[in-house]
Amino acid sequence: GQNIDQPTEMTATEGAIVQINCTYQTSGFNGLFWYQQHAGEAPTFLSYNVLDGLEEKGRFSSFLSRSKGYSYLLLKELQMKDSASYLCAVRDRRGLTGGGNKLTFGTGTQLKVEL
Amino acid sequence: DGGITQSPKYLFRKEGQNVTLSCEQNLNHDAMYWYRQDPGQGLRLIYYSQIVNDFQKGDIAEGYSVSREKKESFPLTVTSAQKNPTAFYLCASSVLSGNTIYFGEGSWLTVV
Repeated sequence: GQNIDQPTEMTATEGAIVQINCTYQTSGFNGLFWYQQHAGEAPTFLSYNVLDGLEEKGRFSSFLSRSKGYSYLLLKELQMKDSASYLCAVRDRRGLTGGGNKLTFGTGTQLKVEL
Repeated sequence: DGGITQSPKYLFRKEGQNVTLSCEQNLNHDAMYWYRQDPGQGLRLIYYSQIVNDFQKGDIAEGYSVSREKKESFPLTVTSAQKNPTAFYLCASSVLSGNTIYFGEGSWLTVV
């Protein structure tokens, strides 16, 4: 099976930097994803890591350490619109002989950005 | 515009009824998925399909059924056997070798 842990809630100030951590335990690991989800809406893709290291994309960066089963999402220059839930998801390709993206999601971290 | 269309957006079900949620995509994706999300929770996989006429159970398939008769369509039926169906349902699709899942706008199902 798979187990994914994220903090439930975080609060940060507009303009600041926040780091959202995710730890996972899984066999058959084949990539880690971060999604942003505003209340009542569909998740939107933020980042993907399959190799160790940092992936940077504008104000958002994501880091992965496979040996530690650890990832973080870094948000810089926080804006009010960044208030949302951030979902960590792990891909498991076991049993998917033809490919595809069978993802297991964490419960999400609700980020509140304040003035 | 290309994308994933779910309907209806809001659906109310009476006790003992089956209801079907529609999911259509025009992205030419082979793989399609159904997830359920409860308030304050992450997404849980119900069913997924990698190819037409084939699908597999996810983590919480009991009380649900699907079909994949066309590449574009992956409807989900919530049967009366699902005892707690009130939730937000998300359909998604992806290419088989890709690294991104695209989600539809979701359907809210409420039991009344």
